[in-house]
Amino acid sequence: DGGITQSPKYLFRKEGQNVTLSCEQNLNHDAMYWYRQDPGQGLRLIYYSQIVNDFQKGDIAEGYSVSREKKESFPLTVTSAQKNPTAFYLCATSRGQGNYGYTFGSGTRLTVV
Amino acid sequence: KQEVTQIPAALSVPEGENLVLNCSFTDSAIYNLQWFRQDPGKGLTSLLLIQSSQREQTSGRLNASLDKSSGRSTLYIAASQPGDSATYLCALYDSWGKLQFGAGTQVVVTP
Repeated sequence: DGGITQSPKYLFRKEGQNVTLSCEQNLNHDAMYWYRQDPGQGLRLIYYSQIVNDFQKGDIAEGYSVSREKKESFPLTVTSAQKNPTAFYLCATSRGQGNYGYTFGSGTRLTVV
Repeated sequence: KQEVTQIPAALSVPEGENLVLNCSFTDSAIYNLQWFRQDPGKGLTSLLLIQSSQREQTSGRLNASLDKSSGRSTLYIAASQPGDSATYLCALYDSWGKLQFGAGTQVVVTP
């Protein structure tokens, strides 16, 4: 089955720690995206990548970092510089720049303890 | 910057009633528009994608219309069922293929 796998489903972070969220896809899609969702709010774009070895900041990139070394993978690191990281994180893919429709993963819920 | 608004924020209807969900946007120079469904604690499931040149799109009990001149899209769900209970999100594409989301409408269909 083609799809997007996000792991882990739940993640707990201590103050000052960096954590990495995984996103893997086997849809052969060129573009990948990371969104953050807070209660009662719409999704906000953190980072996106249209091709391998290239990525761009979204609306709320501060305190986050990404890499795109393989087409299939787009991991997101939440650094200690992100002061309010508790949220639901969603990874998405699309066939490329343009308007081909998005596919979303099942999400990772990150909680600071 | 494009702003996307969904009203109401929450809606409760009895089973069998038709659902009407609204999405408005400030910049009519949009590309495509996509409606999604989100169940609690889950990812987003695509419902309908309306191309900018289209005025509506249909799939089963779902129908979505797009009126760019008035800055509105409406999602109709006919004969609602308890399984339709979820949050419904609309999102607009910009020229780079990035999505701008509304905050969503939370729907409860009571048996």
